[in-house]
Amino acid sequence: QQPVQSPQAVILREGEDAVINCSSSKALYSVHWYRQKHGEAPVFLMILLKGGEQKGHDKISASFNEKKQQSSLYLTASQLSYSGTYFCGTESMGNTPLVFGKGTRLSVIA
Amino acid sequence: NAGVTQTPKFRVLKTGQSMTLLCAQDMNHEYMYWYRQDPGMGLRLIHYSVGEGTTAKGEVPDGYNVSRLKKQNFLLGLESAAPSQTSVYFCASSYSPPYVSSGVSYEQYFGPGTRLTVT
Repeated sequence: QQPVQSPQAVILREGEDAVINCSSSKALYSVHWYRQKHGEAPVFLMILLKGGEQKGHDKISASFNEKKQQSSLYLTASQLSYSGTYFCGTESMGNTPLVFGKGTRLSVIA
Repeated sequence: NAGVTQTPKFRVLKTGQSMTLLCAQDMNHEYMYWYRQDPGMGLRLIHYSVGEGTTAKGEVPDGYNVSRLKKQNFLLGLESAAPSQTSVYFCASSYSPPYVSSGVSYEQYFGPGTRLTVT
């Protein structure tokens, strides 16, 4: 079952912040975040493991709320290069492959 | 290192024709995956492999077959193409399966994609 991402799309001006959420109805083992630019392959950003660990990557960070089975991706002081579609991928307990959400399209304008 | 490569990059098929997509990785990864990406649908897993000679079904396996005869290669076959199989296909590989219970999870590396149109 696909995790649910919100919002579906967001437009930001340079320097603004954004939050992308990823929710699952299943108990999760980990959450992956990837970014895909138009016409390109998805590129790995970070992995969050159960335990509520928060990770960061430059000005992009994420958290994992194990109780809510939800992860949030935080983009601060957005840059034009942040534009793209962000996907979360979730791993449930047991031997299940990664399941991706439908994506959130982020557009950063000058 | 080339990472993950896919051939061909583009292909147009007629309904009923067959073809094979090739994925190759040079990172000595055990695990390989085939996804399809359709507008608004995200990445959906077709088939995956946990090692040479082994394959398993993903979310949307119907109409596709796969083979993993060599560790570095993962082939996706369409025996009788249908317009519903028009999509962008991505191959990916990872060092170990994301669901390892030891508490370790590894990222997936994606190939550049194959854009397939079935008319």
